[in-house]
Amino acid sequence: AQTVTQSQPEMSVQEAETVTLSCTYDTSESNYYLFWYKQPPSRQMILVIRQEAYKQQNATENRFSVNFQKAAKSFSLKISDSQLGDTAMYFCAFELGTDKLIFGTGTRLQVFP
Amino acid sequence: KAGVTQTPRYLIKTRGQQVTLSCSPISGHRSVSWYQQTPGQGLQFLFEYFSETQRNKGNFPGRFSGRQFSNSRSEMNVSTLELGDSALYLCASSSAVGGTYTQYFGPGTRLTVL
Repeated sequence: AQTVTQSQPEMSVQEAETVTLSCTYDTSESNYYLFWYKQPPSRQMILVIRQEAYKQQNATENRFSVNFQKAAKSFSLKISDSQLGDTAMYFCAFELGTDKLIFGTGTRLQVFP
Repeated sequence: KAGVTQTPRYLIKTRGQQVTLSCSPISGHRSVSWYQQTPGQGLQFLFEYFSETQRNKGNFPGRFSGRQFSNSRSEMNVSTLELGDSALYLCASSSAVGGTYTQYFGPGTRLTVL
């Protein structure tokens, strides 16, 4: 069975600084997809970034980038130039292409001015 | 394009009642998935429908059921409600984008069981 682990329950960062959220996963499959979702206080789940396991290049989306280490089964999210609006719960998720997401327990990120 | 919509947004029921939640996917999306979010169990997959057929099912009791209509809209039903069913129920729709099925979520339905 696939599992996703987020070992940092809470993180904080000052505005304009950089922060990295950790995620590890366990699977015996070779083809899969990884995602980071953001859930602000409104509870709306928002896609931040996605990574296909068969792609070696790390995904980037503006201030958000990932460090995907397939052999280590690690998928961390780096947020550069943090903004107050980045304050949210961040969930790492795994999928085998079956529209069934397996989520980690989340990391609560607080951005301070 | 309009996003995923869910109705109602908030619902209060009592134990033993049943409830039906509705989800309208993004136009063109044919897959709809449902998730339950609670403080204790986190985000858990309930089931997924594609072209009116249930393709995947999570580890939930038979009281939880769903269906999908020909226009891809989906409903989720919970019968004989229990206090533990209080949760945020999230619906997501997806469509392959460059071979990657990415799920986009609705705002959720907050169910409170008294």
